[in-house]
Amino acid sequence: QSVLTQPPSASGTPGQRVTISCSGSYSNIGTNYVYWYQQLPGTAPKLLIHSNNQRPSGVPDRFSASKSGTSASLAISGLRSEDEADYYCAAWDDRLSVFGTGTKVTVL
Amino acid sequence: QVQLQESGPGLVKPSETLSLTCTVSGGSISGYYWSWIRQPPGKALELIGYIYDNGNTNYNPSLKSRLTISVDTSNNQFSLRLSSVTAADTAVYYCARQGHTVFPNFEYWGQGTLVTVSS
Repeated sequence: QSVLTQPPSASGTPGQRVTISCSGSYSNIGTNYVYWYQQLPGTAPKLLIHSNNQRPSGVPDRFSASKSGTSASLAISGLRSEDEADYYCAAWDDRLSVFGTGTKVTVL
Repeated sequence: QVQLQESGPGLVKPSETLSLTCTVSGGSISGYYWSWIRQPPGKALELIGYIYDNGNTNYNPSLKSRLTISVDTSNNQFSLRLSSVTAADTAVYYCARQGHTVFPNFEYWGQGTLVTVSS
């Protein structure tokens, strides 16, 4: 049972901006970095954001993230068809890292 | 470029032990945390546990009584053993490199291997 809650789904048309939320608590998001992963259909997850808002090399700047209190969010600007995937947040929680419940992004 | 590859049986009988090995290439296993993560069909990711190159481990409390993660630095491999499996353990199992800290910075992933628990 994940302690990080995400909306099950989000959608947008090409070019739109989509935002995904990740709600946690003091012991995870409230006191630790948040990470975001993109999982394309049938593939392993890929690190999208680390340390709350840092993009690894190669990740387009269309992806951005922020954190406030015990919640975090991932934004995808200029939505593209190849962004259709599942997205997971993650954070350290007390003694082990936890993943979010996951959000499926659909490009309409 | 660091690459990870899971190997092991794709079918395990209920009550038996699930065993997987992750082989790391393109880099040393030393100095990093190495993790096992699983994903039941249609469900979210779950961290199973991780190991450091010196053998120190940290396990998911929900699996701790059945779980052993070990490392073989000479062969650049780490392994997972999960005993007394049930259908609830059916999942795609991923190995991943967690970086230099315990935080969930999973930089590299294996392609994943589906393990089905069934008689």
